[in-house]
Amino acid sequence: EPEVTQTPSHQVTQMGQEVILRCVPISNHLYFYWYRQILGQKVEFLVSFYNNEISEKSEIFDDQFSVERPDGSNFTLKIRSTKLEDSAMYFCASSLPLSEAFFGQGTRLTVV
Amino acid sequence: GESVGLHLPTLSVQEGDNSIINCAYSNSASDYFIWYKQESGKGPQFIIDIRSNMDKRQGQRVTVLLNKTVKHLSLQIAATQPGDSAVYFCAENNNAGNMLTFGGGTRLMVKP
Repeated sequence: EPEVTQTPSHQVTQMGQEVILRCVPISNHLYFYWYRQILGQKVEFLVSFYNNEISEKSEIFDDQFSVERPDGSNFTLKIRSTKLEDSAMYFCASSLPLSEAFFGQGTRLTVV
Repeated sequence: GESVGLHLPTLSVQEGDNSIINCAYSNSASDYFIWYKQESGKGPQFIIDIRSNMDKRQGQRVTVLLNKTVKHLSLQIAATQPGDSAVYFCAENNNAGNMLTFGGGTRLMVKP
């Protein structure tokens, strides 16, 4: 069964450092997303990406965040200068139009 | 319903009983709804979806009910099993985009 894969599973970084979280969406999907989940809280939307551009983004997705689809398979989330409050699980997801999003297993980001 | 911080609403049921998990959504323009299951340390997993032109949809052991008048969604799990123990999130999507908005989650605990 096709699945969304994310790497790394856990990333520890120092405050102020840049991190790149990587995702390989399901191959025939057209929409790609990043969500985050602070421990014990609900899943929050960050950004959606379609046709090689951002289609929607939330207030959380400020200038410190960027996304990229550098080739036909990878989808990345970059945080330029990490803050302590960026510590969370980051989930990548992908979908076909107007269909359920399939989520990866997540990357746990710990900013110290 | 919504949760605040770590205090997720919890539903505790006996193995074999039926479970009903409720969700109130906020956007009357939402026309697509999904229930996700999240086990500890994993990403959200699709359970069942429903579009706004329906009020009921059944899957294997699960039923989703949609009441658009009061903006209420419920998930019924028949013959609940220990493997059903997880946090359950409802998510809504409006036709204007592909952004999913998640509810706060309900923790389901199944007692053997």
